[in-house]
Amino acid sequence: DIVLTQSPGTLSLSPGEGATLYCRVSQSVSTSYLAWYQQRPGQAPRLLIYSTSRRATGIPGRFSGSGSGTDFTLTITSLEPEDFAVYYCQQYRFSPFSFGQGTKLEIK
Amino acid sequence: EEQLVESGGGLVQFGGSRRLSCAASGFTFGSYWMHWVRQIPGKGLVWVSRISNDGIKRDYADSVKGRFTISRDNANNTLFLQMSSLEAEDTAIYYCARDGWREGFDLWGQGAMVTVSS
Repeated sequence: DIVLTQSPGTLSLSPGEGATLYCRVSQSVSTSYLAWYQQRPGQAPRLLIYSTSRRATGIPGRFSGSGSGTDFTLTITSLEPEDFAVYYCQQYRFSPFSFGQGTKLEIK
Repeated sequence: EEQLVESGGGLVQFGGSRRLSCAASGFTFGSYWMHWVRQIPGKGLVWVSRISNDGIKRDYADSVKGRFTISRDNANNTLFLQMSSLEAEDTAIYYCARDGWREGFDLWGQGAMVTVSS
């Protein structure tokens, strides 16, 4: 099974700052099948980024994704209050469709 | 508006059964593969099962294989998860999600909480 490891576990930042979240995959996956999700407290996950770098419908331009092979990154420029949430990466190329353990982005 | 709405959650006895439903609306349900994903409150997301758009192909996580069955009724735009031999470790919020193919899991329901207790 493919394992995704996210870092850091928790990121403490202030609104207006930029954030960089990392996702390392245990074996190479096509960039076409790497996604990022945002989950706010009490809510369902929401797709942010698919195919490594494509923003889902309605996602603001401050969210961007990059990476290849086994290392992927989610970048959020100029954090808004609503961006403080938990973020998960996921590979959806091979079953079981594994998620990372999550990075909690909290207000400093 | 595209929407997924889960139902059927609740308290279940250890070793018991429960069927979750996921009602789809606002899109052509029969064109999409669908998934179930679960989450222990406060913990991460765990993929559970997948079903093809025609209901023929099904995949399961090892932790639920042989105990859970995914199915669908395309005529009534509904996805199901039949859970049996439930264990305490199955206590979780269960989400249904639409497979956007190369666009990831692009639509999620609000979740249904299942609590397994003795």
